[in-house]
Amino acid sequence: DAMVIQNPRYQVTQFGKPVTLSCSQTLNHNVMYWYQQKSSQAPKLLFHYYDKDFNNEADTPDNFQSRRPNTSFCFLDIRSPGLGDAAMYLCATSRVSSETQYFGPGTRLLVL
Amino acid sequence: AQSVTQLDSQVPVFEEAPVELRCNYSSSVSVYLFWYVQYPNQGLQLLLKYLSGSTLVESINGFEAEFNKSQTSFHLRKPSVHISDTAEYFCAVWMDSSYKLIFGSGTRLLVRP
Repeated sequence: DAMVIQNPRYQVTQFGKPVTLSCSQTLNHNVMYWYQQKSSQAPKLLFHYYDKDFNNEADTPDNFQSRRPNTSFCFLDIRSPGLGDAAMYLCATSRVSSETQYFGPGTRLLVL
Repeated sequence: AQSVTQLDSQVPVFEEAPVELRCNYSSSVSVYLFWYVQYPNQGLQLLLKYLSGSTLVESINGFEAEFNKSQTSFHLRKPSVHISDTAEYFCAVWMDSSYKLIFGSGTRLLVRP
């Protein structure tokens, strides 16, 4: 089945230690998104790629970076995680920007 | 600024009772409307969507939502809920003016036996 895969499902890191979260898709969609979701809140868009074009949200901290080496994969890098970065990180894809977004299962990040 | 409002943060209901989860949005332009469901420690799953055409849309598990342009609403309904429907439900709106998907704050549906 075509799907969006996120690895790992759970990630524990130390304060200030860089961490990378991974997302892959078999849908061959053009757009890939990264959202941050804190407890009992709506997902918050961090940035997205339309093909190779990177689009950063104005309020996304510089601490968050992303890479999309090819159509299938997209990575979220947190350069120096703080305690406030503990959250669920959701990857989503869509064929084009205005169409339905399909979400992965998420990676829950814990910062110690 | 565009916004999506889900007035009810939590809706408790007994099993087999009907339920309505409310969603209103602020926009005067064309929109696409979505309902997503999120089970604990999982991603969001698309429940149903309105893009165009019939204003009443249905999902495969008995939920339905009606797009009401004059009231700028897209309320989610189910005539008889199951324990397994307990989850967080997010209304989301795609607006051409902002060129992104805007989520409501979510409604936690709690189905009791």
